[in-house]
Amino acid sequence: DAGVIQSPRHEVTEMGQEVTLRCKPISGHDYLFWYRQTMMRGLELLIYFNNNVPIDDSGMPEDRFSAKMPNASFSTLKIQPSEPRDSAVYFCASSPLDRSYSYGYTFGSGTRLTVV
Amino acid sequence: ELKVEQNPLFLSMQEGKNYTIYCNYSTTSDRLYWYRQDPGKSLESLFVLLSNGAVKQEGRLMASLDTKARLSTLHITAAVHDLSATYFCAVDIGGTDKLIFGTGTRLQVFP
Repeated sequence: DAGVIQSPRHEVTEMGQEVTLRCKPISGHDYLFWYRQTMMRGLELLIYFNNNVPIDDSGMPEDRFSAKMPNASFSTLKIQPSEPRDSAVYFCASSPLDRSYSYGYTFGSGTRLTVV
Repeated sequence: ELKVEQNPLFLSMQEGKNYTIYCNYSTTSDRLYWYRQDPGKSLESLFVLLSNGAVKQEGRLMASLDTKARLSTLHITAAVHDLSATYFCAVDIGGTDKLIFGTGTRLQVFP
């Protein structure tokens, strides 16, 4: 398996523009998570899905952030409009239902977002 | 609110020395994970600890879990430069499937 695939790897955009981050989870995984990493706040859980259904979005910072999972193999995180304080590395992770027999959560390579 | 705290936040140690990183969490959980992150890279899973008293070892790293004390440790034996990275513990909140990360410990091993 190719692992969790995120795109793009790097994104530089101007303030006010819409940004869309993409994630392809590992095939067969039931859960998908979006995290944000910054120096100041560390790794924050933004939202997670179970079988394509959003379960908890309490970590989404503002209404400018939205996430979708239209099918089991694809998810997007959208920021509209973007602001400089959104600059961070955004990670996607997926996991199977039973995490006891594996390493549990597998992370993608991340998208480094810079909003200027 | 769940808190996952690690200490120390920064650790500079000489090659060949031993040290322990501590991870405390504030809620009941039976699962704890340790991850490694190299600069500019993703998170690599190191250990999954699934029950009280669990101990796992891989090379120079050994992790343990005490669910009663809500404490996990990552022990480094005879450190080498290749272990330089940031180490995170993460707690799986039972009943919610949420994985909450600690603050991270940045480890630097020097000759």
